[in-house]
Amino acid sequence: KAGVTQTPRYLIKTRGQQVTLSCSPISGHRSVSWYQQTPGQGLQFLFEYFSETQRNKGNFPGRFSGRQFSNSRSEMNVSTLELGDSALYLCASSLDGPGHNEQFFGPGTRLTVL
Amino acid sequence: AQSVTQPDIHITVSEGASLELRCNYSYGATPYLFWYVQSPGQGLQLLLKYFSGDTLVQGIKGFEAEFKRSQSSFNLRKPSVHWSDAAEYFCAVGARTSYDKVIFGPGTSLSVIP
Repeated sequence: KAGVTQTPRYLIKTRGQQVTLSCSPISGHRSVSWYQQTPGQGLQFLFEYFSETQRNKGNFPGRFSGRQFSNSRSEMNVSTLELGDSALYLCASSLDGPGHNEQFFGPGTRLTVL
Repeated sequence: AQSVTQPDIHITVSEGASLELRCNYSYGATPYLFWYVQSPGQGLQLLLKYFSGDTLVQGIKGFEAEFKRSQSSFNLRKPSVHWSDAAEYFCAVGARTSYDKVIFGPGTSLSVIP
C-alpha cells in the first residue's frame, strides 16, 4: 500500500509569510501526528489529530496550527514565519494513535525561512 | 512525563564490526519503547518496539534491542554492521494510551567505515 506522502517537499518563504503543509496518511490510518525536526532541538512533537479532532499538542506557539479532514488527510499551518521556523516538518500516521503503535513517517517538508 | 536520553551523539564503526547504541528512558509506568532509523533525506522507519514479554526484541535489518528495567535502558545492537546502516537512530518512549504522544531522544548518528 502507498506510504505517507507530504507536499510540498521543499519550501522557501520569507519572514512574516504563512505556509501550509499537507500530509496524506496511509489508507485506513486515522491518526496523524506532526513533528518539527531541527539539528539543535531534534524531533519535537507539534500535535496529533484523530478523526478530525486534535487530541494532543506540543509546546509550540499558537502560530502553529493544524487540522484534519474527514478522509484523514491533514494540514498544518504556520503563520507569521520566523527564521527559527526553518526545519524539516515530518508527518506520521498510525492506526489509532502514536502512543503505543508504529508510526509511519513521510519524507518530510523542508521549510526554509529567509 | 516521559523523557529519553541517547548519550552518544555520533558513533563511527568499521563495516563488519558490532554495534551498540545506548538509550535511557524515564517513565512512571511500564513504557512502550521504540527504535527508529532515519536515512539521509528520508522519514523515520521503525526498527523494533517493546512493551512486554521477552526483554530481548528482534527487529528488521538484523537489529535487536534489550530492555533492562533496572537500568531504565533499551540499547540497540547489531552483531555485524553494513555500510548501508549509516543513518540517524532515534530511541523513543511512548505510553499505554494510543493518544499519548511519543517522546524521541536526540538521536545518534552512525557512520560506517568501509
